[in-house]
Order: sequence, then structure tokens, then C-alpha cells
Amino acid sequence: GAGVSQSPSNKVTEKGKDVELRCDPISGHTALYWYRQRLGQGLEFLIYFQGNSAPDKSGLPSDRFSAERTGESVSTLTIQRTQQEDSAVYLCASSSDAGSEETQYFGPGTRLLVL
Amino acid sequence: AQTVTQSQPEMSVQEAETVTLSCTYDTSESDYYLFWYKQPPSRQMILVIRQEAYKQQNATENRFSVNFQKAAKSFSLKISDSQLGDAAMYFCAYRSGGHRNLIFGKGTKLSVKP
Repeated sequence: GAGVSQSPSNKVTEKGKDVELRCDPISGHTALYWYRQRLGQGLEFLIYFQGNSAPDKSGLPSDRFSAERTGESVSTLTIQRTQQEDSAVYLCASSSDAGSEETQYFGPGTRLLVL
Repeated sequence: AQTVTQSQPEMSVQEAETVTLSCTYDTSESDYYLFWYKQPPSRQMILVIRQEAYKQQNATENRFSVNFQKAAKSFSLKISDSQLGDAAMYFCAYRSGGHRNLIFGKGTKLSVKP
């Protein structure tokens, strides 16, 4: 595909359940980012991948949140034992790692609602 | 820690008119980059314009231009000849030269009246 894709588009889950959110970056992009956008707020950084490793996980809000990336491509963000405060739009972005000239391209996000 | 502030939760502009969205930021760094992103109802963030802090010249992209005041730590976005398609949330963002993640403001919702 031409852009970053994310699935599912929307997810409704019950409190306490685990969820997995998927991101397919632009082909060839080595850098991948996850952000969270709560209602009426800006985006909050969660984690950054360079290739398959995550040099910056500083934005993950708790140990219930984890992410992995395989094959320098698809990434999955997992939230265990979901809580109502996890309800948000989760956005993924990728970039070609052009150093200081980097531009991040975003996907359409996954809207998560925890009941 | 760096912060980005957008003091205008909502703005409105008449079609074909000009509007300016405000953004201020706080940093002690000298190497950084500033961005304006547009988020329409489809949720997809679209890069509008970027500015490198080391460049004195204000960035311009067609109808979009910035007023970058480094000493004042101000980075406003001017939209000229506003169009209905410009209606969206606009987010100002900061990136340190030493880090990869973006730091976003809370956004300004722009409405365009026909």
C-alpha cells in the first residue's frame, strides 16, 4: 500500500480483556512510532522502533502496554487487562529514517473503547 | 521537559480569508524542528509544514506559511485564501534534534464558513 495502515479501525472491548492493535508501515520505512490520542487532546508518544528494536519506550504508560515489531515491518501494540482510561485513538507513524530531515507519516488510527 | 502550547481551542474563518493559528513552545535546546499537522475527521494526521530551528527564513508551502520567532519561542501558522477543505484540527508539534518522537500541542479546531 501507499500509506500507513492500521487495523482494526475501531475496537470495543470489556474492561480486563487484552487487545492487539496492528500497524503496517510504509514499505521500506525503518522507523515506526506509536502515539495515543485521548479525546480532545494532542498525541502522546508511546514507543519508537528502529528496525525491530525499540530504543525508546519511555512513553509506555504502564507495564500493561507492550509492543513488538517483526521483519522491520508490521508492529503490534498490545494492551493487557484493559482499563477504561485506555480508551483513546492509537496512531502509528513511520518514517524513512532520513536523520534530521525525517518526516513521520501517520496512519488513520485505531479507536479503542473500553467499556 | 519540552512543552507545546496552543492557546486557541477553536478558530473560525470565512472562506477566502486569512487565519493565523498560534503555537508557543518551551525548550532549552538549540537544535530542534517544528511542525504543523492537520487532522481531518478521517483521523489521519497530514503534515502541513515544517521548520528547522537553524533556519531563519520562514517556511512556506503554497497557501500555508509560518511566522517563526525563535527568541519568543513562537511558531504560528498562517493560512491564506482559506478553503472549505482546510476545516480540521491543527496540531503544532516539536521534535528535539536528539530525539525521534514528536511532542504535540492540544490542537486548534478550525472551522471555515462558506
